[in-house]
Amino acid sequence: AQKITQTQPGMFVQEKEAVTLDCTYDTSDPSYGLFWYKQPSSGEMIFLIYQGSYDQQNATEGRYSLNFQKARKSANLVISASQLGDSAMYFCAMREGRLTGGGNKLTFGTGTQLKVEL
Amino acid sequence: DGGITQSPKYLFRKEGQNVTLSCEQNLNHDAMYWYRQDPGQGLRLIYYSQIVNDFQKGDIAEGYSVSREKKESFPLTVTSAQKNPTAFYLCASSSTGRRSNQPQHFGDGTRLSIL
Repeated sequence: AQKITQTQPGMFVQEKEAVTLDCTYDTSDPSYGLFWYKQPSSGEMIFLIYQGSYDQQNATEGRYSLNFQKARKSANLVISASQLGDSAMYFCAMREGRLTGGGNKLTFGTGTQLKVEL
Repeated sequence: DGGITQSPKYLFRKEGQNVTLSCEQNLNHDAMYWYRQDPGQGLRLIYYSQIVNDFQKGDIAEGYSVSREKKESFPLTVTSAQKNPTAFYLCASSSTGRRSNQPQHFGDGTRLSIL
């Protein structure tokens, strides 16, 4: 089974609108962390936001927030007030805990290509 | 500024040739990683190292080799045994503290192509 699933290969959003990028995960470890990265066309990976499995509140970082639904094993990224510069590939990734030997390794999803339009 | 430097940005390999991709970090991170990214795909882990002089295979290690002689450096060699090496290679590093919220930091990548 896929550990990280991103079901939206591509998304379009109009400038200034909000957009939600989906991510579901699968792990038997009670301790894990979820990360979102942005990859512009130039290729570098930019860290956006982190959610820990024991965090009580949804993470927020500026215009980025994470809609964490633990029972559903989903960690959707919400980008508010989209900007043209948000056009990029977005990856969800998971770090599992010691129970599954995760260490510091990340498992990535296949990504969602976001295009922001005028 | 602290960061991760990958070189070269573009690399071409002839059939049967080994090539080495460089990765240097000055973030004082203990852990370093190599990923491969194919077009339209996510990142797949090739090798990782959590401490100097030690490294482990990731999910797709066949046809690759690494060394970790210095904390700052984690070069990746793509050997002739790797039959489909054309891809984008990303190097990353992270701290290994108990806080699990530490992200991995990435270099700008190396694009490897077969001549």
